[in-house]
Amino acid sequence: QKEVEQNSGPLSVPEGAIASLNCTYSDRVSQSFFWYRQYSGKSPELIMSIYSNGDKEDGRFTAQLNKASQYVSLLIRDSQPSDSATYLCAVNLNDMRFGAGTRLTVKP
Amino acid sequence: EAQVTQNPRYLITVTGKKLTVTCSQNMNHEYMSWYRQDPGLGLRQIYYSMNVEVTDKGDVPEGYKVSRKEKRNFPLILESPSPNQTSLYFCASTKGAGSGYTFGSGTRLTVV
Repeated sequence: QKEVEQNSGPLSVPEGAIASLNCTYSDRVSQSFFWYRQYSGKSPELIMSIYSNGDKEDGRFTAQLNKASQYVSLLIRDSQPSDSATYLCAVNLNDMRFGAGTRLTVKP
Repeated sequence: EAQVTQNPRYLITVTGKKLTVTCSQNMNHEYMSWYRQDPGLGLRQIYYSMNVEVTDKGDVPEGYKVSRKEKRNFPLILESPSPNQTSLYFCASTKGAGSGYTFGSGTRLTVV
């Protein structure tokens, strides 16, 4: 089992819709969870971090963490074409482990 | 500006010719790491360093070397590059294990 698993997608949503990105992880001891956005040909950029069970909101982004289910998700409200990118889930124990990423396309 | 600087951005080299990719950060971060990114495989960690003179292997260390003589610098060395090391490489740094990484702009390496 991979340490961090994401649906590879691609995920396509219309402009203005909610995009939902999911991630599961295998190590129950993990304490820190992150979402990165990576535009094509660019480096990953940290957009959200979450450490406690529940929801964390930052503008149009909401991260959700459920440690019992070993599940972390990212919701993007009012999706814009500029949100089209690959989203990487990452889990940090002693070092940062990344999922393979989910490619999101927001269609105008 | 807080940043991680990698050089070069693009590099084409021949099999067996030693090369070094430099990485420097100006944020006084303790942790630094090297990743390679390949289609379908995502980001895989090559080496990481938790402090000066402290380095450890990641998932794919074979064929790579690193050193951490100063806090700000973490070069990646390929002693004898092979075509299977053709990839996109990222250096990253963070202030601690519970914080996210800041990534460099990447180095696209082609070994022919």
